[in-house]
Amino acid sequence: EVQLLESGGGLVQPGGSLRLSCAASGFTFSCCAMSWVRQAPGKGLEWVSVVSGGGGSTYYADSVRGRFTISRDNSKNTLYLQMNSLRAEDTAVYYCSRNRGTGWQYYFDYWGQGTLVTVSS
Amino acid sequence: EIVLTQSPGTLSLSPGERATLSCRASQSVSNSYLVWYQQKPGQAPRLLIYGASSRATGIPDRFSGSGSGTDFTLTISRLEPEDFAVYYCQQYGSSPPWTFGQGTKVEIK
Repeated sequence: EVQLLESGGGLVQPGGSLRLSCAASGFTFSCCAMSWVRQAPGKGLEWVSVVSGGGGSTYYADSVRGRFTISRDNSKNTLYLQMNSLRAEDTAVYYCSRNRGTGWQYYFDYWGQGTLVTVSS
Repeated sequence: EIVLTQSPGTLSLSPGERATLSCRASQSVSNSYLVWYQQKPGQAPRLLIYGASSRATGIPDRFSGSGSGTDFTLTISRLEPEDFAVYYCQQYGSSPPWTFGQGTKVEIK
């Protein structure tokens, strides 16, 4: 059974940093690109970032490029999101998701339960 | 970037009724690479349909997807109590950014 378990969320002041983790199990982690998707309170879904199965290629949404860094450790079956220079508009539940598809044409077939990040003074 | 517009914003129906949800893209979605997700309060989204019309594993056959180009539809043939939720479409026909529609809420009438 595929399981994704996020951690690392919490309350942080504007301008601060936070590192999210996502522990994966139930599948061969290195096979699959992985994404972070976020959802602001009461709002819709926003794709944030993706990393390839080997970790060598990444993409970011314009809203986070230059501030967030996605990475993975395939030896630990763990996905990360380093978030710097946080803003109030980054407040959201952050979901880790497994990507399905080919050639950078991906959808999200499994999702974690999410971790809440609140940016406030 | 492809913009997805879902309609209606809210659909008020009774159990047993048919639900028809629309997702319109600002430009053609390559290969009909469009998916539908269901999200219930406090839960993560769940994949329902991929490739516009293929049901994901374990999804009941009352859920069906159709469409191509810029116009896509999710149909729930007979609403069950557990189907009242928010539904999102997402396109993956191009390299990132992948975009979502704003969602359609299916509520009990």
